[in-house]
Amino acid sequence: AIRMTQSPSSLSASTGDRVTITCRASQGISSYLAWYQQKPGKAPKLLIYAASTLQSGVPSRFSGSGSGTDFTLTISCLQSEDFATYYCQQYYSYPPTFGQGTKVEIK
Amino acid sequence: EVQLVQSGAEVKKPGESLKISCKGSGYSFTSYWIGWVRQMPGKGLEWMGIIYPGDSDTRYSPSFQGQVTISADKSISTAYLQWSSLKASDTAMYYCVRRSYAGDLFDYWGQGTLVTVSS
Repeated sequence: AIRMTQSPSSLSASTGDRVTITCRASQGISSYLAWYQQKPGKAPKLLIYAASTLQSGVPSRFSGSGSGTDFTLTISCLQSEDFATYYCQQYYSYPPTFGQGTKVEIK
Repeated sequence: EVQLVQSGAEVKKPGESLKISCKGSGYSFTSYWIGWVRQMPGKGLEWMGIIYPGDSDTRYSPSFQGQVTISADKSISTAYLQWSSLKASDTAMYYCVRRSYAGDLFDYWGQGTLVTVSS
């Protein structure tokens, strides 16, 4: 199975900050990468797929980039509702696998 | 509006059997794959397997093959995840998910079913 590694595992930031989360695949996955947001006690929500395509209804302050093995999720101007855990997921090959998550906390 | 509504929380003893459900609405249930994702307490997400309700074609992650059974009843737009003999290590939140047309990513999620296995 393809291993997905996110960094950092957690970060502290303030409202208005620019935040970047990195996801690395153990082998090339082209652009078959998705990002999800999970708030405490809630189901994950799809934010981005195909590495950089915003899911319908997701604010434009979220963006994704990368291809091959290295990917980033950027939140351009952190809002209070963005404090959550973020997961990347590859869907290049079976089984689909997730990163371990990055928790974005309030500084 | 697309919705996946899961059955309620369960508390079971080791060795017992269990079947949890996920009812889809607001879309053509037989046209999208439905999968299951496990989240153990305080941990990340693990994809378990997936079923196509249209013809019951089913695929499992190697980690879960033989441990669980995924099924669906298209007449009532419901998918199931079942265990024949639960273990304490099955304690987790289980989410049903709809596979996107864009690939094996998941555009809609159920609210989750918490399964607790304890003697």
